[in-house]
Order: sequence, then structure tokens, then C-alpha cells
Amino acid sequence: DVVMTQTPPSLSVAIGQSVSISCKSSQSLVYSDGKTYLHWLLQSPGRSPKRLIYQVSNLGSGVPDRFSGTGSQKDFTLKISRVEAEDLGVYYCAQTTHFPNTFGAGTKLELK
Amino acid sequence: EVQLMETGGGLVQPGKSLKLTCATSGFTFSTAWMNWVRQSPEKGLEWIARIKPKSTNYATEYAESVKGRFTISRDDSKSSIYLQMNSLKEEDTATYYCTRGGGWGQGVMVTVSS
Repeated sequence: DVVMTQTPPSLSVAIGQSVSISCKSSQSLVYSDGKTYLHWLLQSPGRSPKRLIYQVSNLGSGVPDRFSGTGSQKDFTLKISRVEAEDLGVYYCAQTTHFPNTFGAGTKLELK
Repeated sequence: EVQLMETGGGLVQPGKSLKLTCATSGFTFSTAWMNWVRQSPEKGLEWIARIKPKSTNYATEYAESVKGRFTISRDDSKSSIYLQMNSLKEEDTATYYCTRGGGWGQGVMVTVSS
């Protein structure tokens, strides 16, 4: 299975600060169609996960442009500019390129 | 608006069975690839099963951890998918989510314990 390694495991931030989360995969996530199926999810406290970004850099519906995703092959980054209180929770990267789909262990974003 | 709602969770003894249902609305269900994903403190998020549309003869895929014990199915007339869980083990204890593309249900808790 493809192993997804997220760092850091947790982040303590102040409102308005910008942060980045790294996700590295054990194999390239480029599919045979040329697309890269790496996604970012946010699980707010007490809620189910919600997809923020799909295919590396595409914002999900209603997701503010404070969120951005970059990367290629095996190395990906989620950046949150000007963190707001509603952004707190656990962020996961996920790959759907390879079978079985796998997830990172999560990065917990907390208030400083 | 895409909606996914899981039901059927609960407390069950090891070795017993349980069936989860996911009712959906807000998208073209008949052509959708549908998944079950579970989450536990021990294993985190774990994809466990997928069912593809009629055009693929309703092809199914399973994680090794549930293959042979769990069965995913769908009823296009009801826009619903199901997860029949047999021979349950304590390590199957988790919150089970129905997912499609970027959409997730609210989850349903399954506890396997004697």
C-alpha cells in the first residue's frame, strides 16, 4: 500500500498566521491518465471529514482561496494563508491514484 | 446539495453481523462510484470498500482487512448503498463513513465488544 507521511503531526498557530503542511507519498501519485489524485481533507472537531482540495491544487466547492495546494509526484504541500478560527481541526492528505486508497495520519491545527 | 446519511450502527458482539445503509441524494447516484471508509483512533482513516456503477456490472473492491467478511452492495432505485458486515472483530470498531467523490456522510458508530 502507498504510505502517506504527513508533517508536522500538530501545529499551534495564531489567528492570521500562515501555515504549511507537508505530505509525502511512498510512490509517485501520477496516474496513467497523467493526473495526480492527491487530495486534502479537513475534519473539524466533532464533524466528518470534508474535502478541501482535490487533484493537488483544485479548491472544493465553497472552499476559501486562503487554502492552496501544490506539489507533484511524491511531495505535496497544503498552505493556509491567514488562518481563521474555523480552520482549526485535523488535516489529512489522501491518495486515490493507487489501490487501495490511503490516508495520511493527520496534522492537528490548534490555536496558540 | 449532495447528501449522504449512514444508519445501522450500534453495539454488536464479536462474530456477529451488522448491516449499514447509506441513503443519498443530490447527485446522479446510478453513475457514481461509492465507498465506505472507516475511522478509528488506532488506525486512523481506512478505506474499506467500493462499488462501481451498473456499467461495470457493479464491480466491487475491498481492503484486505475486510475481504471475505464484508459485502458492499447498492440499490440504484433507492440511491443507497449497503455494507453487510459479518464475522465482526473488535478491531472493526470504528466510525463508518459513506463517501462519494468529495462528499462524506456524518458517519455511524460501530462498536464490536462482548
